[in-house]
Amino acid sequence: GIQVEQSPPDLILQEGANSTLRCNFSDSVNNLQWFHQNPWGQLINLFYIPSGTKQNGRLSATTVATERYSLLYISSSQTTDSGVYFCAVSTSGSRLTFGEGTQLTVNP
Amino acid sequence: KAGVTQTPRYLIKTRGQQVTLSCSPISGHRSVSWYQQTPGQGLQFLFEYFSETQRNKGNFPGRFSGRQFSNSRSEMNVSTLELGDSALYLCASSAGTASYGYTFGSGTRLTVV
Repeated sequence: GIQVEQSPPDLILQEGANSTLRCNFSDSVNNLQWFHQNPWGQLINLFYIPSGTKQNGRLSATTVATERYSLLYISSSQTTDSGVYFCAVSTSGSRLTFGEGTQLTVNP
Repeated sequence: KAGVTQTPRYLIKTRGQQVTLSCSPISGHRSVSWYQQTPGQGLQFLFEYFSETQRNKGNFPGRFSGRQFSNSRSEMNVSTLELGDSALYLCASSAGTASYGYTFGSGTRLTVV
């Protein structure tokens, strides 16, 4: 099956710093999503981005499908950005394969 | 528009018992998928239902089963619980084509003692 690798596994920032999270995948995909898992366990959908670039406030994402990677940018980080960020992909609809996540800690 | 609703939020069961979890998708969504999250295995796909039919299944033993009703609500059942079944169980809803991605519920945290 498809492999999804996320880097870095852990990231510690000071409030106000910028960061880039990376997701590499091993096959063509028809769905790629970035999620933020909050402390209560819910996966919050950040972006649906199988290709191209999107922005939402301080967050933006870029997927280069031909090179099989996606990047999530977080600018001017806040303590509330802390948590685990997951990249998930699917190749033929219905089943998402998740990476192992990036644990982000933003210190005040 | 209401989100994906999972009940119960927390559950404690004894080894050997069975458990049923419920998921109500976003109104109009016909696809419901289930995932298991554990510290050791991460997030793993259990199965997906679309229009009351199982459309895809992950690599889990037959003790894990599910169904979907005509109103798109879904239940998953785990029989003969084992300690290793302790996990966060997440349900995701989509319109069915994956063209707009998946929306997840808050999850059910199951503890088997």
